[in-house]
Amino acid sequence: NAGVTQTPKFQVLKTGQSMTLQCAQDMNHEYMSWYRQDPGMGLRLIHYSVGAGITDQGEVPNGYNVSRSTTEDFPLRLLSAAPSQTSVYFCASSYHNSPLHFGNGTRLTVT
Amino acid sequence: SQQGEEDPQALSIQEGENATMNCSYKTSINNLQWYRQNSGRGLVHLILIRSNEREKHSGRLRVTLDTSKKSSSLLITASRAADTASYFCATDLTGNQFYFGTGTSLTVIP
Repeated sequence: NAGVTQTPKFQVLKTGQSMTLQCAQDMNHEYMSWYRQDPGMGLRLIHYSVGAGITDQGEVPNGYNVSRSTTEDFPLRLLSAAPSQTSVYFCASSYHNSPLHFGNGTRLTVT
Repeated sequence: SQQGEEDPQALSIQEGENATMNCSYKTSINNLQWYRQNSGRGLVHLILIRSNEREKHSGRLRVTLDTSKKSSSLLITASRAADTASYFCATDLTGNQFYFGTGTSLTVIP
């Protein structure tokens, strides 16, 4: 049972490049979400999904896109990376009204 | 923002002492959860308290919730060096929207 798997662990992008951060869970959780963590800011919710085909915006959605075609996968797309998107990104999943299970994070640097 | 605020931002105590950290939030919640994060790792769930509960225990952890004051506290008793980590509260608004506070960095000195 792998839990929540995020790839890659590290990534360096140039400004303007695009990329997709992958997140997969094998617990059949209906809820999945993406957070970014910056020093002194805690975790901020980017986007979340309550089930396949359903996504919604969190606190800081600008510059990011998501889709949820399957229960297991919830990729996060950066369409045109900016230095302000340098951060550590966490994916999490859960059942309704239950604790979140986190992946180990992706450390992204945009130069 | 729905984000909670933890207090203090940083806490340093001797091994064996108790550690208390507080969380305040802004709106009505479905439940409140506490998480721990060791340096460079993901967050690990510690305890969940529902809006109709006032106190909950799990091992050396005690969590209280005061919905009238929109606040919660996490008490770690008889702290150990291994408790050194950052601690975050997360408010769950609807069962599907989790908003995190800025965290308390706890250092337990052996």
